Parts: sequence; structure tokens; C-alpha cells
Amino acid sequence: DAGITQSPRHKVTETGTPVTLRCHQTENHRYMYWYRQDPGHGLRLIHYSYGVKDTDKGEVSDGYSVSRSKTEDFLLTLESATSSQTSVYFCAIRAGTQETQYFGPGTRLLVL
Amino acid sequence: AQKVTQAQTEISVVEKEDVTLDCVYETRDTTYYLFWYKQPPSGELVFLIRRNSFDEQNEISGRYSWNFQKSTSSFNFTITASQVVDSAVYFCADYKLSFGAGTTVTVRA
Repeated sequence: DAGITQSPRHKVTETGTPVTLRCHQTENHRYMYWYRQDPGHGLRLIHYSYGVKDTDKGEVSDGYSVSRSKTEDFLLTLESATSSQTSVYFCAIRAGTQETQYFGPGTRLLVL
Repeated sequence: AQKVTQAQTEISVVEKEDVTLDCVYETRDTTYYLFWYKQPPSGELVFLIRRNSFDEQNEISGRYSWNFQKSTSSFNFTITASQVVDSAVYFCADYKLSFGAGTTVTVRA
């Protein structure tokens, strides 16, 4: 257990509304990541963070922004949700001497 | 462009059969590492193994084994004597955070 929680775990929202997903970790890991999982695509990296206020884009960052004001929290924001952002969102941290990624339980987001 | 390819979308086997999952990766680096993850029907992602490019030996963990071949850029995963609890989606991933599309394994009793 890498001490990662995600909230909310499920969310239904309407097109055009803002949505913020939260990833919380308890072990002071420097690196945190947001992925989305869609059928046929595996997991695709949205954004990642390598420290407080240090973030960078991943493969599918359009339409998403992130913030990390504290080591333990990494927020993913959909400024104006679209139906194409319906997905399962996973947060991950990088940990251990092997620098392995460990994932949170995921958030199911449905944009109507 | 996807740098990790899992060509098998779905595999269905009967319990106790062996099953091998293929993973082909692309890289120009001389040092790299690769991962396998399991996603059971409950949805969480479970880390299985990390493999470094400089480690030549194959890995075995219980009924799981991994065959790493740099010559063919493959990192294949075998489940020996499969069980119903092995039913899951299995993902291969590389050190640049690129994941394959996943292979769904169904083990029938």
C-alpha cells in the first residue's frame, strides 16, 4: 500500500462544468502523476509533478490543468468538462529504490 | 506514437493452462527499464515487476515468469498453470511512462 487516495471515487457531471480531482499521498513522494484509462488505449499520461509547484505535461494534456501546492496533494482540473473526458483517472506516485510507480484506486468520471 | 505494443487484445484459457503475454518496446537508450502491471476486475492497478535492461537473467516469481530479450525488444510474461484469480488485464509499460493497450486474460474453470 503506497498510501495513495483519490477523491471523489465516482463523479457524474455535465458538459461545460469545471471538475477537480484530488490525489493525496501520505509518504512525501516527490513525483506524482495523473493518467487516464480508456478502452484500447491503456493508460495515458496527462500531467506529472516533480515537486511542489513543479509540473509538466504528458501525452494527453489538452483540456487539463494541474496544481501542486503541497507535497501530499496533486490536483487535476478539467476547466470545462467535455464528453471526451469521460474516463477512469488514476493517480500514481514514484517510490522505492527501483523508482516504481504505484497507483491510486482510480476515479470514474462521467461527463454527460 | 505508442512505444509499447501488446499485440494480443484478449486471451482465453482453461484453468491450469499456461498463458504467455507478449510485449514489444521501442527505445534508443542503452539503459532502460520496463514494467508489468495487473488490473483485476476490481479495477486497481497492481505492480508486478520492474526489469532493468542490464539484467540478463529471466525472472520467476511463483507461477509468474518473465522473459526479457533485448535482441527482439521483447519483455514477455508467462503465467504457468493459470488459475481463475489470474483473470485480469495485464499492462506492459516502459520507463518513459508509456503503457501498452493491455491484454485481457480470462481463465475459465
